[in-house]
Amino acid sequence: TQLLEQSPQFLSIQEGENLTVYCNSSSVFSSLQWYRQEPGEGPVLLVTVVTGGEVKKLKRLTFQFGDARKDSSLHITAAQPGDTGLYLCAGFDRQTGANNLFFGTGTRLTVIP
Amino acid sequence: EAQVTQNPRYLITVTGKKLTVTCSQNMNHEYMSWYRQDPGLGLRQIYYSMNVEVTDKGDVPEGYKVSRKEKRNFPLILESPSPNQTSLYFCASSISPTHEQYFGPGTRLTVT
Repeated sequence: TQLLEQSPQFLSIQEGENLTVYCNSSSVFSSLQWYRQEPGEGPVLLVTVVTGGEVKKLKRLTFQFGDARKDSSLHITAAQPGDTGLYLCAGFDRQTGANNLFFGTGTRLTVIP
Repeated sequence: EAQVTQNPRYLITVTGKKLTVTCSQNMNHEYMSWYRQDPGLGLRQIYYSMNVEVTDKGDVPEGYKVSRKEKRNFPLILESPSPNQTSLYFCASSISPTHEQYFGPGTRLTVT
């Protein structure tokens, strides 16, 4: 099992604050995805990163893939109540020869108006 | 509309009574997966399928079966459900494991 640990597990902040959530593993991944899940729904893709050191921006969200492709971070600037949800990272390792997709443990974010 | 459908959305059953959760996608995707979601454990892959008649174990396959007789359908079968299989189940489809996964709405299963 390739474990993806996310931290923090829970995060409650005021509207307008900045935050960073982390996704860490001892394994190297060929690519890593970030999803957001809202209550009662399935996860929805936010971004995919594939190159070590890669940085991608999606409006107020900034995603970074670690140089060694073992970790990733998601930074949200000026959080809004609409950012509330469960954030999940998911990694794929092409070198194993298998086609499993591993999801992290999740960070539940609450943004208070 | 591109979508993944699951049925039923909610199911309460008793230990040992065989059940099937259906999953269907209309995007001609080759890669389909089943996940279970439990508090604090994130999403764990149960089984996946790379194409018709090609299935393989995920992280937590014990107690589950799947089949892929048609490209669009990927049912999840619990031959003898047990209380530890009480969970929220998601089906997903994609072009491949490295592409965007499209998730169904989820099936909440309770086994008493």
